[in-house]
Amino acid sequence: QKEVEQNSGPLSVPEGAIASLNCTYSDRGSQSFFWYRQYSGKSPELIMFIYSNGDKEDGRFTAQLNKASQYVSLLIRDSQPSDSATYLCAAYTGGGNKLTFGTGTQLKVEL
Amino acid sequence: EAQVTQNPRYLITVTGKKLTVTCSQNMNHEYMSWYRQDPGLGLRQIYYSMNVEVTDKGDVPEGYKVSRKEKRNFPLILESPSPNQTSLYFCASSLGQGAGSPLHFGNGTRLTVT
Repeated sequence: QKEVEQNSGPLSVPEGAIASLNCTYSDRGSQSFFWYRQYSGKSPELIMFIYSNGDKEDGRFTAQLNKASQYVSLLIRDSQPSDSATYLCAAYTGGGNKLTFGTGTQLKVEL
Repeated sequence: EAQVTQNPRYLITVTGKKLTVTCSQNMNHEYMSWYRQDPGLGLRQIYYSMNVEVTDKGDVPEGYKVSRKEKRNFPLILESPSPNQTSLYFCASSLGQGAGSPLHFGNGTRLTVT
């Protein structure tokens, strides 16, 4: 089992809709979780992080964490074509020294 | 401007010819790390460093070396590159580890080994 798992997609949503991206992790000791966005050929850029159970909102983005079920999700409201990218979920694993990434979910926002 | 700088951006080389990819950060970060990214496999950690002269292996360290003689620099060395090291490489740094210390990535180095 991979330490951080994501559905590779592509996930297609119409412009203006809510995009929901999911991630599960296997290390129960993981405490901190990150969502990065990566455009093709570019470096990952941080969208937000979360470490407490529940929801965390930042503009159009909401991260949700459920430690009991070991999943993290990212909601993007009012999706725009510029949101089309690969979204990477990451968690600190192995005692906290390593940030482990999922393979990413490709999001396509269609006009 | 706070940034992580990698050089070169693109590199084509031949099997066995030693090369170094440089990485420098100007944010006084303690933690630095190298990742490689391959289709279907995602980002995988090669090596990381928690401070000067402190380095440790990540998930895929074979064929790579690193050094951390100064806080700001963390070069990646391929002593004898092979075609399976063709990949997109990212250097990253953070203040520490944990929620308050997200990784900041360089622009990447696309390496091709023929």
